[in-house]
Amino acid sequence: DAGVIQSPRHEVTEMGQEVTLRCKPISGHNSLFWYRQTMMRGLELLIYFNNNVPIDDSGMPEDRFSAKMPNASFSTLKIQPSEPRDSAVYFCASRGTGVDEQYFGPGTRLTVT
Amino acid sequence: GDSVTQMEGPVTLSEEAFLTINCTYTATGYPSLFWYVQYPGEGLQLLLKATKADDKGSNKGFEATYRKETTSFHLEKGSVQVSDSAVYFCALKDKSSGSARQLTFGSGTQLTVLP
Repeated sequence: DAGVIQSPRHEVTEMGQEVTLRCKPISGHNSLFWYRQTMMRGLELLIYFNNNVPIDDSGMPEDRFSAKMPNASFSTLKIQPSEPRDSAVYFCASRGTGVDEQYFGPGTRLTVT
Repeated sequence: GDSVTQMEGPVTLSEEAFLTINCTYTATGYPSLFWYVQYPGEGLQLLLKATKADDKGSNKGFEATYRKETTSFHLEKGSVQVSDSAVYFCALKDKSSGSARQLTFGSGTQLTVLP
């Protein structure tokens, strides 16, 4: 099994630019989660989907952030416009039906200058 | 609401020392409990889990016992190795009806093992 796949692994962009992070969950998993990790705030849940439908987006910091899951095998997290305070590692995780544990991808390290 | 409290790090040990990382939780229902490990530059990996009181989760020499009476799930290992250096996260998933179907994570404990 390939595990959760995220791309890109590293992204450096300038303030004001649009950033799109991508995630492919484990095949057959029906829940997908986006997290942000920083030294100051630790691991924060941004949004999660169940069967491609957003269930809880209360962790999304502001309207600059948006997430989509057009099908069961792909999700995106978009930041537009990006700001330096968005610099963090963004993780995607997926979960199968009837289990509690989540499986994390390797993360995307975003640096906004 | 649900919460997880971990001992603050960083924790520094010599190789072959005994490890304990404390974790206590607050939950309205009867949660499942987890330990995740994050190695440098990687995502979180499930280390072990326990789903009901008195269950013991174990993996790679690590153990944790679900203690309902003390609401704790402390992580232990009898002899740590340099390769165990990582950040360890305690987490819970409340199984009571109506709970959001997500994990609640602790703040993480950085472990460094010196040769």
